[in-house]
Amino acid sequence: ENVLTQSPGTLSLSPGERATLSCRASQNIRHSHLAWYQQKPGQAPILLIYGASTRATGIPGRFSGSGSGTDFTLTISSLEPEDFAVYYCQQYDTSPWTFGQGTKVEIK
Amino acid sequence: QVQLVQSGAEVKKPGASVKVSCKTSGYTFSSYGIAWVRQAPGQGLEWMGWISGYIGNTDHAQKFQGRLTMTTDTATNTAYMELRSLISDDTAVYYCARFGSGYLDLWGRGTLVTVSS
Repeated sequence: ENVLTQSPGTLSLSPGERATLSCRASQNIRHSHLAWYQQKPGQAPILLIYGASTRATGIPGRFSGSGSGTDFTLTISSLEPEDFAVYYCQQYDTSPWTFGQGTKVEIK
Repeated sequence: QVQLVQSGAEVKKPGASVKVSCKTSGYTFSSYGIAWVRQAPGQGLEWMGWISGYIGNTDHAQKFQGRLTMTTDTATNTAYMELRSLISDDTAVYYCARFGSGYLDLWGRGTLVTVSS
């Protein structure tokens, strides 16, 4: 299976700062079949990015995704208070679909 | 309004089975599939499998082979996930999520399944 490794495990930042989250795959992900999700405590995840770089409906422009092959990045250009959460990447290129272990973005 | 409404929390004994429902509305059921993802307490997301809303074909993670059954009822636009031979490690929140091209664009609120003797 294609193992996704996210780094760092925890990112401690202040509101207004830039967040850069990494997702590295053990195998090549074709067609940029990679998505990013945000999850807040006690809530279901929500889709942020799909196709590695396409923002989902209603997602603010401060969220952007990039990358291809085995290295992908989620960037939050300027953190808002509501952005402090856990972020997961997911590949849907090959079965079994897999998730990364998550990156927690916490308030510094 | 597009939504996925899941059934309520369950408490099961080891060895039992659980069946979680996911009632959809606001979109054409057959145009999308439903995936099942679970999350153990304090842990990350784990993909279990998916079922097509059109012809009902499925795919699932190997670790659930023989224990997992996913079905749909097109008359009520509802998807079901049944997990058998439950063990304590199956204690988790189980989510259904809609997918069209593999990414999960709409999620249910989750169903807590607790396995305890």
